[in-house]
Amino acid sequence: DAKTTQPPSMDCAEGRAANLPCNHSTISGNEYVYWYRQIHSQGPQYIIHGLKNNETNEMASLIITEDRKSSTLILPHATLRDTAVYYCIPGSGNTGKLIFGQGTTLQVKP
Amino acid sequence: DAGVIQSPRHEVTEMGQEVTLRCKPISGHDYLFWYRQTMMRGLELLIYFNNNVPIDDSGMPEDRFSAKMPNASFSTLKIQPSEPRDSAVYFCASSSFKRGARTDTQYFGPGTRLTVL
Repeated sequence: DAKTTQPPSMDCAEGRAANLPCNHSTISGNEYVYWYRQIHSQGPQYIIHGLKNNETNEMASLIITEDRKSSTLILPHATLRDTAVYYCIPGSGNTGKLIFGQGTTLQVKP
Repeated sequence: DAGVIQSPRHEVTEMGQEVTLRCKPISGHDYLFWYRQTMMRGLELLIYFNNNVPIDDSGMPEDRFSAKMPNASFSTLKIQPSEPRDSAVYFCASSSFKRGARTDTQYFGPGTRLTVL
């Protein structure tokens, strides 16, 4: 399974863009990059996923480097409710077996 | 849709007692996952089912833990006998694969907070 490296914590000012990096240099060719978040005391929540191309949905944007060794999750206008632990997870799409690491704790400050 | 439903939300029991956690996946989903979360170990996958059949139980910590899925709308995770180190939040998640698009988005329930005294 591919390993990921994320900074343990980050701060962001409310209303500003939050850019959360993830290194996944050992990701294989058929593995997608998934992002989930977990708000305190709640179950994890799916945010977005991608394979090669950049992706955008109503929650966030995902930028994947051309060599696919790293990616960045962008929350364009962070709010206090975006304070959570963000997980970057490689997934094959075949089994659904997602392995959660330690993630990045994002603190959005007023 | 009601989402994934778990019960109970909180459970306090004494060491040695049997504990049963319950999960109702989202209707139509064919995969079901059980996770455990602790401060020390983070979020761990315990077992998952496909079409009610256990596929991978390598994360189940020991024989005291067992999981069943008698039908597509119900699963249980049982701990017998329970120990204080089993105290954790247990999450259930479900998903439906769209193989053409290769997606696996899991929807998590609110969790059951288990405390074993």
